[in-house]
Amino acid sequence: AQKVTQAQTEISVVEKEDVTLDCVYETRDTTYYLFWYKQPPSGELVFLIRRNSFDEQNEISGRYSWNFQKSTSSFNFTITASQVVDSAVYFCALSEADAGGTSYGKLTFGQGTILTVHP
Amino acid sequence: DVKVTQSSRYLVKRTGEKVFLECVQDMDHENMFWYRQDPGLGLRLIYFSYDVKMKEKGDIPEGYSVSREKKERFSLILESASTNQTSMYLCASRLAGGRADTQYFGPGTRLTVL
Repeated sequence: AQKVTQAQTEISVVEKEDVTLDCVYETRDTTYYLFWYKQPPSGELVFLIRRNSFDEQNEISGRYSWNFQKSTSSFNFTITASQVVDSAVYFCALSEADAGGTSYGKLTFGQGTILTVHP
Repeated sequence: DVKVTQSSRYLVKRTGEKVFLECVQDMDHENMFWYRQDPGLGLRLIYFSYDVKMKEKGDIPEGYSVSREKKERFSLILESASTNQTSMYLCASRLAGGRADTQYFGPGTRLTVL
């Protein structure tokens, strides 16, 4: 069975600090997708990124960057120069897929990390 | 923009009541999902539907049922609400198959069962 672990329950930083959110996953499949979602206080989950298991290239989007390492089954998320608006709950999730890359659709989520950025 | 709406943001019910949570999406997505979110447990899948009139159990289906009579609407039913079903319920939808796997979520319904 697949499993996603976010060991950091809560993180508190001061504005402009860099912060890394850890995500470790377990799956028997060779083809899968990994995701990060953000849940601000309003409650709605906002999609941030999707990465497939064949693409280990790191990605940067503005202040956000993601480090995918299959060797350690990790998909970590870094926010550079954090801002108060980054305060939210962040979820890592996994979706298994068939050999052709078609996802089965079901997401397995980690427990979530509560990030608080203080001014 | 994908829009997923849920019928209520907050709901208070009594033990034993039958409860309906409604979810509607406007992007013609085949797949729809119901999750519940509890502190320290993340989101857990209750039921999902690949298409109209199709449904499959997720990881925690006990005490719940679902209905998908129209493509845009997916209902979660608590046949006899219990206090341990107090939770945040989130609905999501996605296009079927392929690699367009991103699920889009509604704002959630916070259900309290007294």
